[in-house]
Amino acid sequence: AQSVTQLDSQVPVFEEAPVELRCNYSSSVSVYLFWYVQYPNQGLQLLLKYLSGSTLVESINGFEAEFNKSQTSFHLRKPSVHISDTAEYFCAVSYYGGSQGNLIFGKGTKLSVKP
Amino acid sequence: DAGITQSPRYKITETGRQVTLMCHQTWSHSYMFWYRQDLGHGLRLIYYSAAADITDKGEVPDGYVVSRSKTENFPLTLESATRSQTSVYFCASRGGNTEAFFGQGTRLTVV
Repeated sequence: AQSVTQLDSQVPVFEEAPVELRCNYSSSVSVYLFWYVQYPNQGLQLLLKYLSGSTLVESINGFEAEFNKSQTSFHLRKPSVHISDTAEYFCAVSYYGGSQGNLIFGKGTKLSVKP
Repeated sequence: DAGITQSPRYKITETGRQVTLMCHQTWSHSYMFWYRQDLGHGLRLIYYSAAADITDKGEVPDGYVVSRSKTENFPLTLESATRSQTSVYFCASRGGNTEAFFGQGTRLTVV
């Protein structure tokens, strides 16, 4: 079965430090990849996505993720985090030619930014 | 207002009662989804729908019923609520092989 693994359930980090949230998926077939962010008591919001083209994608608030096909990874990075980045982050994948209903989520990583 | 809305935002119900969670989207997206979110389990797919009158089971469908008579609505019914169904429920919609859009969630407590 296809799956998404987020290797860290919790990541504590100090403000202005760099952070990497890891995401691996199970299949080497062509994929669409997403990172979502969830702030407390809110729904999930799209942070960034990879559909095709450049393997490095960026969000408007300084996050970036790189699609690595050989390692089946889509790690999320930010060079300097802020307190306001404290949230839960979900990686998701769907597959070319697969059902649009087949959007698979990882279990999430809670990012806690400390002053 | 454009978007996807869920109602109610909060609900407390008793064990054994039937409860329906509503979801409405304004984009005419073909796909709609219901997830539940529980600590330690992330998001788990309950049911999804590819179009009006087409629904399919997800990972955890037992105890839930869905219908989709109109493209824009996708209600989720708990036929006889149990305490294990206490959770946060999210509805989402998707118009193609791009991102899904999520509602704000319904926090359901079964006592």
